[in-house]
Amino acid sequence: AQSVAQPEDQVNVAEGNPLTVKCTYSVSGNPYLFWYVQYPNRGLQFLLKYITGDNLVKGSYGFEAEFNKSQTSFHLKKPSALVSDSALYFCAVRDRGGGFKTIFGAGTRLFVKA
Amino acid sequence: EAQVTQNPRYLITVTGKKLTVTCSQNMNHEYMSWYRQDPGLGLRQIYYSMNVEVTDKGDVPEGYKVSRKEKRNFPLILESPSPNQTSLYFCASSPSGWGTEAFFGQGTRLTVV
Repeated sequence: AQSVAQPEDQVNVAEGNPLTVKCTYSVSGNPYLFWYVQYPNRGLQFLLKYITGDNLVKGSYGFEAEFNKSQTSFHLKKPSALVSDSALYFCAVRDRGGGFKTIFGAGTRLFVKA
Repeated sequence: EAQVTQNPRYLITVTGKKLTVTCSQNMNHEYMSWYRQDPGLGLRQIYYSMNVEVTDKGDVPEGYKVSRKEKRNFPLILESPSPNQTSLYFCASSPSGWGTEAFFGQGTRLTVV
């Protein structure tokens, strides 16, 4: 069965430190991969995606993600965290082999402490 | 402004009373989808639509119906709501269903008592 795992319910980092939010997936073939962010009482906002090409993808607000095919991972990273990055982050995958289903991870809450 | 609009934002209803949550997008997107968000479960896809009159089930379609009669609208219908459908619902659209990112509405918080 297809699945997306975000192994950490919560990640705590100090402002200015690098952050990593982990995502691994189990999907047949080569999926499209996405990261979204959700601020309180808001809908989800797109951060970045991997379609093909360079394994390091750069996105909005200084975020980037590294696609690792052998480990089936797509970890979200940022070199220097800001307090305003505190939010709920979701990893999502879509199987490009057919169908249009999108599977989301359970989400990881990021707390950035000043 | 490009946006996905859901209505209502908040709704409290009683078990068995039919309701519709509307979703409209102004970006001429082909692909639209409904999700429910529950704590610890993330977002789960209910239904999606690849274009007008083309819909398909997501992972949790039971108890829900959808229709896509116009490209911009994708209403979610609960014929006989039950308490286990209490959730936060999101509508999303994207230019296509392949490698394009989704634009989400603000969400509808539904409580079924």
